[in-house]
Amino acid sequence: GAVVSQHPSRVICKSGTSVKIECRSLDFQATTMFWYRQFPKQSLMLMATSNEGSKATYEQGVEKDKFLINHASLTLSTLTVTSAHPEDSSFYICSATLAFPYEQYFGPGTRLTVT
Amino acid sequence: AQKITQTQPGMFVQEKEAVTLDCTYDTSDQSYGLFWYKQPSSGEMIFLIYQGSYDEQNATEGRYSLNFQKARKSANLVISASQLGDSAMYFCAMSFSGAGSYQLTFGKGTKLSVIP
Repeated sequence: GAVVSQHPSRVICKSGTSVKIECRSLDFQATTMFWYRQFPKQSLMLMATSNEGSKATYEQGVEKDKFLINHASLTLSTLTVTSAHPEDSSFYICSATLAFPYEQYFGPGTRLTVT
Repeated sequence: AQKITQTQPGMFVQEKEAVTLDCTYDTSDQSYGLFWYKQPSSGEMIFLIYQGSYDEQNATEGRYSLNFQKARKSANLVISASQLGDSAMYFCAMSFSGAGSYQLTFGKGTKLSVIP
């Protein structure tokens, strides 16, 4: 149980275009979903916390107008990278959490390359 | 502020031997959770083990055990009988209350290599 999917797994896009990444909890309803970014050989950095039906809470330094998060249901959250640039190239991972002990179940990640 | 420190960038272990991955943390919260995740080269984060701050017994999950020393603020992961498939990055993480939910803060990770 507690499976989280992400789509697409890999995406290559041109500079200036927008890319949408979907995160779904397949067999449970997630109270909260998180979006992380991971650069090569580095740890995960939290970008934003998303609760269903409310606006996402962004971490300091993360541009909310560039990284649009929509959490329309208890099983789906989307991250849209708007006007992508090469420096946005990274590994993006989502996670979903249930109640206590608030263990986070991670999706397989999306590798974004902006050319 | 919460902080997780993993001081071992890389570790080597012989197959079938045990290995300990270090993790220390800093928090002013009384209630918190400690997690270990494994990240193979595929990138997926795999949950291994959880320890609550009020749990008196050390957590165990199969070949994984967590050596929790609250006074020293350490939460080391012990992997017994290492297997080649254990080669991966290992992240220690701590949960804390923030943004209306419980967030995780991660350490920088330890790359474990299991030698045949």
